[in-house]
Amino acid sequence: AQSVSQHNHHVILSEAASLELGCNYSYGGTVNLFWYVQYPGQHLQLLLKYFSGDPLVKGIKGFEAEFIKSKFSFNLRKPSVQWSDTAEYFCAAGGSGNTGKLIFGQGTTLQVKP
Amino acid sequence: GAGVSQTPSNKVTEKGKYVELRCDPISGHTALYWYRQSLGQGPEFLIYFQGTGAADDSGLPNDRFFAVRPEGSVSTLKIQRTERGDSAVYLCASSLGGGATNEQFFGPGTRLTVL
Repeated sequence: AQSVSQHNHHVILSEAASLELGCNYSYGGTVNLFWYVQYPGQHLQLLLKYFSGDPLVKGIKGFEAEFIKSKFSFNLRKPSVQWSDTAEYFCAAGGSGNTGKLIFGQGTTLQVKP
Repeated sequence: GAGVSQTPSNKVTEKGKYVELRCDPISGHTALYWYRQSLGQGPEFLIYFQGTGAADDSGLPNDRFFAVRPEGSVSTLKIQRTERGDSAVYLCASSLGGGATNEQFFGPGTRLTVL
């Protein structure tokens, strides 16, 4: 069965700390991977995506993620978080077919203390 | 430009009632998705439209749920005989075309509460 699992449900960091949010997926066939972010009071928006090629992908606002096929993982990282990174983060997986159906993880709430 | 809009933003109904939730996608986007997000969970796929047709409705939980997109633009998600377990935020997303390589733009959602 297709699934996405996020290990951390709630993370609290101080500003300037480094961030790593875990994401593991189970997906048959070619997989496309995404991280979405939802800032307080805002819509879900795309942070970054991996389709193929370089397994280290860079997104907006200094975020990056690494696709490790052997570990079925797509962890999100940021070297130094800011208070404005406080948000909920969702990892998602989709197939390579015509449907853009996404399977989301349960989300990680990140709280950055100033 | 205008993003995806959803109405109403909040809907409170009683168990057994019928509800309709509306989604206005970004102009020109041929693909439209409905997801449901329960408290503490990530969005769960319901249905995907390419143009006017439902290309993938594998996520609809049962036959009480139905969605239409008659003119290939606005979509309506219809829930019959609502149950308390239907309470969730219903999200709509649209993209330029189908397939995962087209970024999905999400709306603000409709929070449905079934009493």
